[in-house]
Amino acid sequence: GQQLNQSPQSMFIQEGEDVSMNCTSSSIFNTWLWYKQDPGEGPVLLIALYKAGELTSNGRLTAQFGITRKDSFLNISASIPSDVGIYFCAGQYGANSKLTFGKGITLSVRP
Amino acid sequence: GAVVSQHPSWVICKSGTSVKIECRSLDFQATTMFWYRQFPKQSLMLMATSNEGSKATYEQGVEKDKFLINHASLTLSTLTVTSAHPEDSSFYICSGRGGGAKNIQYFGAGTRLSVL
Repeated sequence: GQQLNQSPQSMFIQEGEDVSMNCTSSSIFNTWLWYKQDPGEGPVLLIALYKAGELTSNGRLTAQFGITRKDSFLNISASIPSDVGIYFCAGQYGANSKLTFGKGITLSVRP
Repeated sequence: GAVVSQHPSWVICKSGTSVKIECRSLDFQATTMFWYRQFPKQSLMLMATSNEGSKATYEQGVEKDKFLINHASLTLSTLTVTSAHPEDSSFYICSGRGGGAKNIQYFGAGTRLSVL
């Protein structure tokens, strides 16, 4: 099935740095979601976006719903060690549709 | 966010036995439950979708007789892996969705299944 494009597969940053992750699709979505997964745990919702152009923040995290509805980005500012994990984007076309996931980006933060 | 409780978090079983995994929505009514499987370093793979009181809809390639899903109430869904074999060893994650305009999916903590 379709999968959203997330790259690179891994990112390595220094503590205190900002990092931005992008997620793209060949088709449009009407909801974009960003989840974080820690090792051995289930994904936890970080930010949900419902409207093209929407920019939403959750603490040090900011995400935007692309104008074309085919992409979204997540920005983490002033990274800390606990930001380590796998970040998945997910798109949803309709309210009752299945989620389409990206492959995830593994973030490592060097102290 | 809403809470989804999944139990057990880790199970080891012998080949040929069946294992049941429970998924409960604690503070919302999950009209729809999803079951995913995740292999190491990979994304979540949807196995099936179930609506309360209805038979589950399985994704292509997922054996419905091997992975039995029950969603008898708005707060509980179970996945039973029948006659488990080593190739069924994986990380299984449930997710509940409560409906409404925003219709967010919340995930359980996952179950690590190891079949010996």
